[in-house]
Formats: sequence, structure tokens, C-alpha cells
Amino acid sequence: SYELTQPPSVSVSPGQTARITCSGDALPKQYAYWYQQKPGQAPVMVIYKDIERPSGIPERFSGSISGTTVTLTISEVQAEDEADYFCQSADTSGTFVFFGGGSKLTV
Amino acid sequence: EEQLVQSGAEVKKPGESLKISCKGSGYSFSNYWIGWVRQMPGKGLEWMGIFHPGDSDIRYSPSFQGQVTISADKSISTAYLQWSRLKASDSAMYYCARRSNSHHGMDVWGQGTTVTVSS
Repeated sequence: SYELTQPPSVSVSPGQTARITCSGDALPKQYAYWYQQKPGQAPVMVIYKDIERPSGIPERFSGSISGTTVTLTISEVQAEDEADYFCQSADTSGTFVFFGGGSKLTV
Repeated sequence: EEQLVQSGAEVKKPGESLKISCKGSGYSFSNYWIGWVRQMPGKGLEWMGIFHPGDSDIRYSPSFQGQVTISADKSISTAYLQWSRLKASDSAMYYCARRSNSHHGMDVWGQGTTVTVSS
């Protein structure tokens, strides 16, 4: 199945830890990716291959996987982390990509 | 710096045609898949399709097959998304994005092109 389910919203106070989940049957077999999108800006990849962090992304961003659920964890959340976060996966060829519905993180 | 730069905002009438562009620089354009993503106002990301400039391989999302045409001119490192007859429901932000060669995530994104279709 090519569906990914995210909570519509997550709210945390500054300095706390935010956890955003993404569930889908494909996730144990295919990698997940996470993107941050701030208002008026293009998405930016913050996690790839479930747990890897691209260069330039702060260490407070981390990813994990358990069964059919991947989780984006943002430690010591800052006001600048307020954004929409989208998870993504793909079929085995990587040419059919699908996104979760997105989660709005409010700080 | 590896980047994708998209063409500017467009305002069109229903029934008109449109072609928007996405120019790559700072990397070997022919060696990476370029995908297109739609984002309607206040909504999430929708996958439209992907094109490989090196061999012109193209895959459309079933939701967009027959609705748009994706292409590229590798001689000028530019990818395109085009419509033959726009509808008001095509009004959205459109992003191009490069798919990494080491995984299936989109590692470089264009800044987006706003398309407004209104009579």
C-alpha cells in the first residue's frame, strides 16, 4: 500500500522534545524520508533512509523506525523549528514517490 | 552549489496552455532524476511524476497521467512541466526536485512556481 499517515498537528513548548510519527505498510520494506517546509518556502530534507541526517541539518533532528512506523524526533525544540513536516517513501524503483499528509509543528 | 531554479509565477485563463521550467546547475543534470510535486493552497505535497534527462525515461503518477506532460532538454539542463488546457483546479504551487542517486529521497528542490488559473 502506498499510503502514509501522519498526525495533522503536534504542539510542544520550546526546549521540549517533539515526536512526529508516520505510519504505512510499505515502511518496513522501503526507506522513509522527512522534509521540513516553512511558510512560503520549498521543502528541505531533514532525514533520509529512515535515520540519516543530511549535512547542515542540526543534530537535534533524528529519525527512527519501529515496524510500520517511522518517527521524526526534534530534541530541544526551538521557535525556528515551527513548520510543516512531511514524510515520504517510494516504490522499489524509486520512481513512484508518495507523501504523508503532513504534520504542522507548533512551538 | 547544486541548485534548481524555476521559472516565475504564471497567471492564465482556463483552456490556455502553459509550460514551466526548472533549470539545474552545479551538478551533472543528465545523471539525476527530476521529479515534479504539486502543492495546492494550504495542502500537502502530491507526486506528479519523474523524468530522467539522460535516457528520457519518464514515469507519471496515475493521478496525473494524461493531465500533464513532463520533459527535459539536457542540452540546457532544464526540465519542463506543461499543460495543454489549464483548468481552475490546476491553480497551485509546483516544485521540481532532484532525486538523490544514493537513495530515493529528493535532495535538491526548486523554489517553486505559482500557477494561477482564473477567468
